[in-house]
Amino acid sequence: DGGITQSPKYLFRKEGQNVTLSCEQNLNHDAMYWYRQDPGQGLRLIYYSQIVNDFQKGDIAEGYSVSREKKESFPLTVTSAQKNPTAFYLCASRGLAGSLGYNEQFFGPGTRLTVL
Amino acid sequence: QKEVEQNSGPLSVPEGAIASLNCTYSDRVSQSFFWYRQYSGKSPELIMSIYSNGDKEDGRFTAQLNKASQYVSLLIRDSQPSDSATYLCAVNIRGSQGNLIFGKGTKLSVKP
Repeated sequence: DGGITQSPKYLFRKEGQNVTLSCEQNLNHDAMYWYRQDPGQGLRLIYYSQIVNDFQKGDIAEGYSVSREKKESFPLTVTSAQKNPTAFYLCASRGLAGSLGYNEQFFGPGTRLTVL
Repeated sequence: QKEVEQNSGPLSVPEGAIASLNCTYSDRVSQSFFWYRQYSGKSPELIMSIYSNGDKEDGRFTAQLNKASQYVSLLIRDSQPSDSATYLCAVNIRGSQGNLIFGKGTKLSVKP
């Protein structure tokens, strides 16, 4: 099955801890994204990557870090510097440049992070 | 600041009726427009994409785009209780490297 997987589904973090959220895709997509969703809010872009070994900050990158060592994987680390990390985290990917539906983004199932 | 605006709702319609969801955007050079459906506690699911002015139909869903007026709408015919969800409008702006700007969503409730 082609798709995007995220793990874990639920994650609990103590204050002061760093945690890493996993995102993997087997769609052969070039671009990958991380969003954060808070109740009643739209999706806010944290980081994105258009190509392996390159990534850019989104609108709310402070307190987060990413890596893109493989095309299939785009992990997100929520650091202790993120003051209010409790949220629903969504990973998305986008198809190849020039392909039909190039700008369509597809989402993984999400990780719900709670700070205790 | 480029924005995408949606009425937060909730929009309540009876089963079998047409649900009409609207979205306006601020940037005139927007190119691609998307509707996502998000059930409570789940991730967004892409249901419609539209790239040119006019209507695009897919089953019970019709997306309508009017670039001159900067709005895009989603019509759901013969609404079913299973259509109850939050609908997110997303817009891609030319030169944004494929990035999308999302509205906050409209919550739709279809009453049996």
